[in-house]
Amino acid sequence: GENVEQHPSTLSVQEGDSAVIKCTYSDSASNYFPWYKQELGKGPQLIIDIRSNVGEKKDQRIAVTLNKTAKHFSLHITETQPEDSAVYFCAASLGGSYIPTFGRGTSLIVHP
Amino acid sequence: DAGITQSPRHKVTETGTPVTLRCHQTENHRYMYWYRQDPGHGLRLIHYSYGVKDTDKGEVSDGYSVSRSKTEDFLLTLESATSSQTSVYFCAISELSANTGELFFGEGSRLTVL
Repeated sequence: GENVEQHPSTLSVQEGDSAVIKCTYSDSASNYFPWYKQELGKGPQLIIDIRSNVGEKKDQRIAVTLNKTAKHFSLHITETQPEDSAVYFCAASLGGSYIPTFGRGTSLIVHP
Repeated sequence: DAGITQSPRHKVTETGTPVTLRCHQTENHRYMYWYRQDPGHGLRLIHYSYGVKDTDKGEVSDGYSVSRSKTEDFLLTLESATSSQTSVYFCAISELSANTGELFFGEGSRLTVL
Protein backbone atom coordinates (compact mmCIF):
# COMPACT_ATOMS: atom_id res chain seq x y z
CA GLY A 1 0.00 0.00 0.00
CA GLU A 2 0.86 3.67 -0.02
CA ASN A 3 3.47 5.03 2.38
CA VAL A 4 3.77 8.76 3.06
CA GLU A 5 6.82 10.26 4.76
CA GLN A 6 6.59 13.81 6.14
CA HIS A 7 9.38 16.14 7.28
CA PRO A 8 10.16 17.88 9.50
CA SER A 9 8.21 16.67 12.51
CA THR A 10 8.61 20.08 14.16
CA LEU A 11 9.21 23.44 12.53
CA SER A 12 9.78 26.67 14.43
CA VAL A 13 9.80 30.02 12.59
CA GLN A 14 9.56 33.70 13.36
CA GLU A 15 6.43 35.60 12.37
CA GLY A 16 6.77 36.82 8.81
CA ASP A 17 9.14 34.04 7.74
CA SER A 18 8.22 31.33 5.25
CA ALA A 19 7.64 27.71 6.22
CA VAL A 20 8.04 24.64 4.03
CA ILE A 21 6.83 21.12 4.83
CA LYS A 22 7.84 18.25 2.58
CA CYS A 23 6.26 14.87 1.89
CA THR A 24 7.23 11.89 -0.20
CA TYR A 25 4.99 9.06 -1.30
CA SER A 26 5.70 5.55 -2.53
CA ASP A 27 2.87 4.62 -4.93
CA SER A 28 3.45 6.19 -8.33
CA ALA A 29 -0.26 5.69 -9.10
CA SER A 30 -1.30 8.21 -6.40
CA ASN A 31 -2.74 11.31 -7.97
CA TYR A 32 -4.55 13.24 -5.23
CA PHE A 33 -2.62 15.08 -2.50
CA PRO A 34 -4.51 16.96 0.22
CA TRP A 35 -3.10 18.95 3.13
CA TYR A 36 -4.88 19.23 6.47
CA LYS A 37 -4.38 21.68 9.33
CA GLN A 38 -5.16 20.67 12.89
CA GLU A 39 -5.49 23.36 15.53
CA LEU A 40 -5.11 22.51 19.19
CA GLY A 41 -8.09 20.54 20.49
CA LYS A 42 -9.77 20.29 17.10
CA GLY A 43 -10.05 17.82 14.26
CA PRO A 44 -7.98 18.25 11.08
CA GLN A 45 -9.39 20.47 8.35
CA LEU A 46 -8.55 20.51 4.65
CA ILE A 47 -6.65 23.65 3.64
CA ILE A 48 -5.52 22.88 0.11
CA ASP A 49 -5.22 19.95 -2.25
CA ILE A 50 -3.58 19.24 -5.59
CA ARG A 51 -4.09 16.68 -8.31
CA SER A 52 -1.37 15.15 -10.42
CA ASN A 53 -2.27 17.04 -13.56
CA VAL A 54 -1.22 20.26 -11.81
CA GLY A 55 2.32 21.15 -10.73
CA GLU A 56 1.47 23.98 -8.36
CA LYS A 57 -1.58 25.45 -6.68
CA LYS A 58 -1.82 28.61 -4.64
CA ASP A 59 -4.40 30.02 -2.26
CA GLN A 60 -3.44 33.36 -0.71
CA ARG A 61 -0.43 32.67 1.56
CA ILE A 62 -0.35 28.92 1.09
CA ALA A 63 0.83 26.98 -1.94
CA VAL A 64 1.46 23.36 -2.74
CA THR A 65 3.92 22.03 -5.32
CA LEU A 66 4.05 18.53 -6.75
CA ASN A 67 6.89 16.68 -8.44
CA LYS A 68 5.46 13.42 -9.76
CA THR A 69 8.76 12.22 -11.15
CA ALA A 70 10.42 12.45 -7.76
CA LYS A 71 7.22 11.50 -5.93
CA HIS A 72 7.28 14.39 -3.55
CA PHE A 73 5.07 17.35 -2.76
CA SER A 74 5.46 20.33 -0.47
CA LEU A 75 3.39 22.89 1.41
CA HIS A 76 4.65 26.46 1.42
CA ILE A 77 3.34 29.09 3.81
CA THR A 78 4.53 32.64 3.27
CA GLU A 79 4.40 35.55 5.71
CA THR A 80 3.62 33.25 8.60
CA GLN A 81 1.40 34.48 11.40
CA PRO A 82 0.91 33.15 14.95
CA GLU A 83 -2.46 31.75 13.92
CA ASP A 84 -0.65 29.47 11.45
CA SER A 85 0.67 27.56 14.47
CA ALA A 86 -0.86 24.08 14.21
CA VAL A 87 -0.13 20.52 13.16
CA TYR A 88 -0.12 19.99 9.41
CA PHE A 89 -0.71 16.64 7.72
CA CYS A 90 -0.03 15.70 4.14
CA ALA A 91 -1.80 12.78 2.50
CA ALA A 92 -1.84 10.85 -0.76
CA SER A 93 -4.45 8.71 -2.47
CA LEU A 94 -5.37 7.10 -5.77
CA GLY A 95 -7.59 9.97 -6.74
CA GLY A 96 -10.38 11.58 -4.77
CA SER A 97 -12.38 8.37 -4.75
CA TYR A 98 -9.96 6.60 -2.45
CA ILE A 99 -9.14 6.82 1.23
CA PRO A 100 -5.99 8.92 1.75
CA THR A 101 -2.87 7.73 3.55
CA PHE A 102 -1.60 10.38 5.96
CA GLY A 103 1.90 11.47 6.87
CA ARG A 104 2.85 11.67 10.54
CA GLY A 105 2.33 15.39 10.82
CA THR A 106 4.42 18.53 11.29
CA SER A 107 4.01 20.76 14.31
CA LEU A 108 4.49 24.34 13.09
CA ILE A 109 5.22 26.96 15.72
CA VAL A 110 5.20 30.61 14.69
CA HIS A 111 6.84 32.90 17.23
CA PRO A 112 5.50 36.48 17.43
CA ASP B 1 -18.74 23.22 9.89
CA ALA B 2 -19.70 19.69 8.91
CA GLY B 3 -22.35 18.23 11.21
CA ILE B 4 -20.32 15.62 13.06
CA THR B 5 -20.76 14.87 16.74
CA GLN B 6 -18.55 12.52 18.71
CA SER B 7 -19.48 11.17 22.12
CA PRO B 8 -18.18 10.97 24.69
CA ARG B 9 -15.54 13.67 24.22
CA HIS B 10 -13.54 12.42 27.19
CA LYS B 11 -13.52 9.05 28.89
CA VAL B 12 -11.36 7.39 31.51
CA THR B 13 -11.76 3.67 31.93
CA GLU B 14 -9.94 0.67 33.33
CA THR B 15 -8.15 -2.11 31.53
CA GLY B 16 -10.47 -4.91 30.51
CA THR B 17 -13.67 -2.87 30.38
CA PRO B 18 -15.70 -2.44 27.19
CA VAL B 19 -15.89 1.02 25.63
CA THR B 20 -18.07 2.35 22.84
CA LEU B 21 -17.47 5.63 21.04
CA ARG B 22 -20.22 7.11 18.94
CA CYS B 23 -20.04 9.24 15.81
CA HIS B 24 -23.19 10.94 14.57
CA GLN B 25 -23.44 12.90 11.30
CA THR B 26 -26.17 15.08 9.86
CA GLU B 27 -24.61 15.39 6.37
CA ASN B 28 -25.88 12.10 4.91
CA HIS B 29 -22.36 11.30 3.71
CA ARG B 30 -21.78 7.77 2.54
CA TYR B 31 -18.35 7.18 4.04
CA MET B 32 -17.50 7.23 7.74
CA TYR B 33 -14.13 6.55 9.37
CA TRP B 34 -12.51 6.04 12.71
CA TYR B 35 -8.91 7.19 13.15
CA ARG B 36 -6.64 7.23 16.16
CA GLN B 37 -4.05 9.91 16.69
CA ASP B 38 -0.93 9.26 18.73
CA PRO B 39 2.26 11.32 19.10
CA GLY B 40 4.75 10.36 16.41
CA HIS B 41 2.23 8.27 14.49
CA GLY B 42 -0.08 10.84 12.97
CA LEU B 43 -3.52 9.66 11.91
CA ARG B 44 -4.00 5.93 11.55
CA LEU B 45 -7.14 4.40 10.12
CA ILE B 46 -8.88 1.87 12.37
CA HIS B 47 -12.04 1.00 10.44
CA TYR B 48 -14.23 2.63 7.86
CA SER B 49 -17.72 2.23 6.45
CA TYR B 50 -18.93 2.75 2.89
CA GLY B 51 -22.61 2.28 3.66
CA VAL B 52 -25.10 0.86 6.15
CA LYS B 53 -23.75 -2.47 7.40
CA ASP B 54 -20.77 -2.18 5.03
CA THR B 55 -17.50 -1.85 6.91
CA ASP B 56 -13.86 -2.70 6.37
CA LYS B 57 -10.62 -2.77 8.32
CA GLY B 58 -7.94 -0.12 8.33
CA GLU B 59 -4.27 -0.45 9.20
CA VAL B 60 -4.73 -0.69 13.01
CA SER B 61 -7.99 -2.63 13.42
CA ASP B 62 -6.87 -5.26 15.97
CA GLY B 63 -8.82 -4.90 19.22
CA TYR B 64 -11.55 -2.78 17.65
CA SER B 65 -14.92 -3.49 16.10
CA VAL B 66 -17.42 -1.19 14.41
CA SER B 67 -21.05 -1.12 13.48
CA ARG B 68 -23.18 1.05 11.23
CA SER B 69 -26.88 0.29 11.43
CA LYS B 70 -27.96 3.74 10.21
CA THR B 71 -26.42 6.15 7.73
CA GLU B 72 -25.89 8.77 10.43
CA ASP B 73 -24.26 6.64 13.15
CA PHE B 74 -20.93 4.83 13.26
CA LEU B 75 -19.93 3.11 16.49
CA LEU B 76 -16.43 2.09 17.52
CA THR B 77 -16.19 -0.59 20.22
CA LEU B 78 -13.23 -1.70 22.26
CA GLU B 79 -14.40 -5.06 23.61
CA SER B 80 -11.74 -5.16 26.33
CA ALA B 81 -9.77 -1.93 26.58
CA THR B 82 -5.99 -2.03 27.00
CA SER B 83 -3.54 0.72 27.94
CA SER B 84 -2.19 0.71 24.36
CA GLN B 85 -5.60 1.96 23.25
CA THR B 86 -5.18 5.19 25.18
CA SER B 87 -5.44 7.72 22.38
CA VAL B 88 -7.45 10.46 20.77
CA TYR B 89 -10.03 9.03 18.41
CA PHE B 90 -11.37 10.97 15.47
CA CYS B 91 -14.40 10.24 13.40
CA ALA B 92 -14.48 11.52 9.82
CA ILE B 93 -17.01 11.56 7.02
CA SER B 94 -16.75 12.04 3.28
CA GLU B 95 -18.36 11.64 -0.08
CA LEU B 96 -15.33 10.30 -1.89
CA SER B 97 -15.66 10.92 -5.59
CA ALA B 98 -13.58 11.85 -8.59
CA ASN B 99 -14.39 15.48 -7.88
CA THR B 100 -13.74 15.66 -4.17
CA GLY B 101 -11.68 13.66 -1.72
CA GLU B 102 -12.17 15.87 1.34
CA LEU B 103 -12.61 14.26 4.73
CA PHE B 104 -14.50 16.18 7.42
CA PHE B 105 -13.36 15.40 10.95
CA GLY B 106 -15.13 15.53 14.27
CA GLU B 107 -13.66 17.20 17.36
CA GLY B 108 -12.18 13.99 18.74
CA SER B 109 -12.72 11.71 21.73
CA ARG B 110 -9.91 11.42 24.26
CA LEU B 111 -9.78 7.94 25.79
CA THR B 112 -7.57 7.05 28.74
CA VAL B 113 -7.25 3.41 29.74
CA LEU B 114 -5.74 2.94 33.20
